[in-house]
Amino acid sequence: GIQVEQSPPDLILQEGANSTLRCNFSDSVNNLQWFHQNPWGQLINLFYIPSGTKQNGRLSATTVATERYSLLYISSSQTTDSGVYFCAVASGYSTLTFGKGTMLLVSP
Amino acid sequence: DAGVIQSPRHEVTEMGQEVTLRCKPISGHDYLFWYRQTMMRGLELLIYFNNNVPIDDSGMPEDRFSAKMPNASFSTLKIQPSEPRDSAVYFCASTPFEADYNEQFFGPGTRLTVL
Repeated sequence: GIQVEQSPPDLILQEGANSTLRCNFSDSVNNLQWFHQNPWGQLINLFYIPSGTKQNGRLSATTVATERYSLLYISSSQTTDSGVYFCAVASGYSTLTFGKGTMLLVSP
Repeated sequence: DAGVIQSPRHEVTEMGQEVTLRCKPISGHDYLFWYRQTMMRGLELLIYFNNNVPIDDSGMPEDRFSAKMPNASFSTLKIQPSEPRDSAVYFCASTPFEADYNEQFFGPGTRLTVL
């Protein structure tokens, strides 16, 4: 099946800093989603982005499908951004395969 | 829309007991998925349904696990008998799965603890 690798596995930031999270995948995809799992365990949809670029407030994402990677940008980070960020992909209308996540801690 | 609804949010039970988790997908979504999240294995798919019919249950760990979807607005995941290694967070998700749009939306999860 499709392989998903996320980097870095862990990230510690000072409040106000910017960061880039990366997701590499092993095959062509028709679905790529970024999620934020907050400290209460809820999975929050951030982006549905099988290709192209999207922005939502301080967050933006870019997927370069031909090169099989996606990037999630967090600008001016806040303590509420802490949690685990997951990339999940699907190929050929199959089900989502999740990466292992990037654990982000934003300190005041 | 209310989003995907799961109940209970937390369940603590003793080994050997039957556990039933419930899910109500987003209205109009044709696909429903059950996932399990553990520290060791991360997020993994257990089973999914299309129009109430189970399509792929290859992720169901063993015969102790069963899932049903009697109608478009309700699904259950049952574990009988439960074991401590079943302790995990169980998520339900749904999607409209149209040809060019199949974003999955997740419920809040059920945190299961088997003592």
